[in-house]
Amino acid sequence: KQEVTQIPAALSVPEGENLVLNCSFTDSAIYNLQWFRQDPGKGLTSLLLIQSSQREQTSGRLNASLDKSSGRSTLYIAASQPGDSATYLCAVVSGGYQKVTFGTGTKLQVIP
Amino acid sequence: NAGVTQTPKFRVLKTGQSMTLLCAQDMNHEYMYWYRQDPGMGLRLIHYSVGEGTTAKGEVPDGYNVSRLKKQNFLLGLESAAPSQTSVYFCASKGGAAYGYTFGSGTRLTVV
Repeated sequence: KQEVTQIPAALSVPEGENLVLNCSFTDSAIYNLQWFRQDPGKGLTSLLLIQSSQREQTSGRLNASLDKSSGRSTLYIAASQPGDSATYLCAVVSGGYQKVTFGTGTKLQVIP
Repeated sequence: NAGVTQTPKFRVLKTGQSMTLLCAQDMNHEYMYWYRQDPGMGLRLIHYSVGEGTTAKGEVPDGYNVSRLKKQNFLLGLESAAPSQTSVYFCASKGGAAYGYTFGSGTRLTVV
């Protein structure tokens, strides 16, 4: 059974700081890994999708890396802004039916 | 805009009542999923479908039924609602293995 863990559970940083969110998973036989953000009371917004054959993906100030052999992914946020405050979820797709297993999330607060 | 649409967005039920949540996607995706999100529990898979006419149980299927009569629609039914089913329900869809998930905006259900 795939298990996904995100560390830290919560993070508070001053505006402008670069930060790293971590995601680890137990079964390396994955199709892909997706990072989402969720604002309070809202749905999930996809940030980045990394295929199992890829090492990283970039979108603007966001960079996600994947090390399948060690069961790890990181989400790097450069020059953080108050608008980045949200919960970030890591989702790993594996298994015969494209099922996704979510991490527990990291709640990020960027202080102006 | 293309995407996943959930109806209703909010609902209050009395214990024992029944209801159906509708999920519709216009991206011709094969895979569709129903999740519930509870504080401290993260997102948990209720049921999923790998194509029209197919359904399968996820992690927490008890008390729920689903149907996928049309490819674009995935219905989640509660036959006899219980307070333990108070949650936020998210529907998601996915194309093939190389694609990421698209989530709906959620349905907030309260059972009193």
